[in-house]
Amino acid sequence: EIVLTQSPGTLSLSPGERATLSCRASQRSSSSYLAWYQQKPGQAPSLLIYGASSRATGIPDRFSGSGSVTDFTLTITRLEPEDFAVYYCQQYGTSPTFGQGTKVEIK
Amino acid sequence: QVQLQESGPGLVKPSETLSLTCTVSGGSISGYSWNWIRQPPGKGLEWIGYIYYSGSTNYNPSLKSRVTISVDTSKNQFSLKLSSVTAADTAVYYCARQSLILYYMDVWGKGTTVTVSS
Repeated sequence: EIVLTQSPGTLSLSPGERATLSCRASQRSSSSYLAWYQQKPGQAPSLLIYGASSRATGIPDRFSGSGSVTDFTLTITRLEPEDFAVYYCQQYGTSPTFGQGTKVEIK
Repeated sequence: QVQLQESGPGLVKPSETLSLTCTVSGGSISGYSWNWIRQPPGKGLEWIGYIYYSGSTNYNPSLKSRVTISVDTSKNQFSLKLSSVTAADTAVYYCARQSLILYYMDVWGKGTTVTVSS
C-alpha cells in the first residue's frame, strides 16, 4: 500500500499570497493516478486536479499541480477567500489511498 | 449531471451492521467504479472500498473482514455493509464515482453521518 504524507499540516497565509502544498508517496507512484481534492467545512471533498497536473472542470487556473515519482505539489498562485480549506492528495496503486490533508487557514 | 445521494440509518448500535445505500441519478452506473469513503469527526479521509459496475470489488485491507459492497444496476444503486461496528466506525460516510482510466473521484455525495452508540 502506498502511503501519502502531506506537508505542512497547516499553512497560515493571507489572501493574495501563494500556497505550496506537498504530497510525498512512500514508493513510486504513477503521476497519472495522482489527484488533489478540496474540502470546505461541512461539505464533501471536490476534485481539483487529476493526473497530477490536469485541472478538473471549472477549476480556476490559479490552481496547478505538478510532480512525479514520489513528490507532488499543489500550488495556488493567489489565494482567494474561498480557497481557505483542507486539501487532500489521493493516489491509486492497487487501491486508493489519501494523504492526511493540509489545512490552508487565514493568517 | 450525475448526482449521488447516500441514505441509511444515522444511528447504529455497537456490534451491529451498518448499512448504507448510494443512489446514482442523472447518469448510468455502468462504466465506472463506485466507492465508499469515510471521515471520522475532525479527521481525514479513509477509503473503504469500491465496486465496479460489473460487480467485482476491492476493499481496504484494514476493513476487508467486515465490509461488503454490492451493486444493483436495475436501481442505479450501490450499497455498503459494515459489520461488527464499534464507536471507531462513527464517521461521515461518502459515496463517490471513480474514473476507470485515471482513477480520480469526480462525483461525490453530500455524505451521511453515522453514529455508533447504544
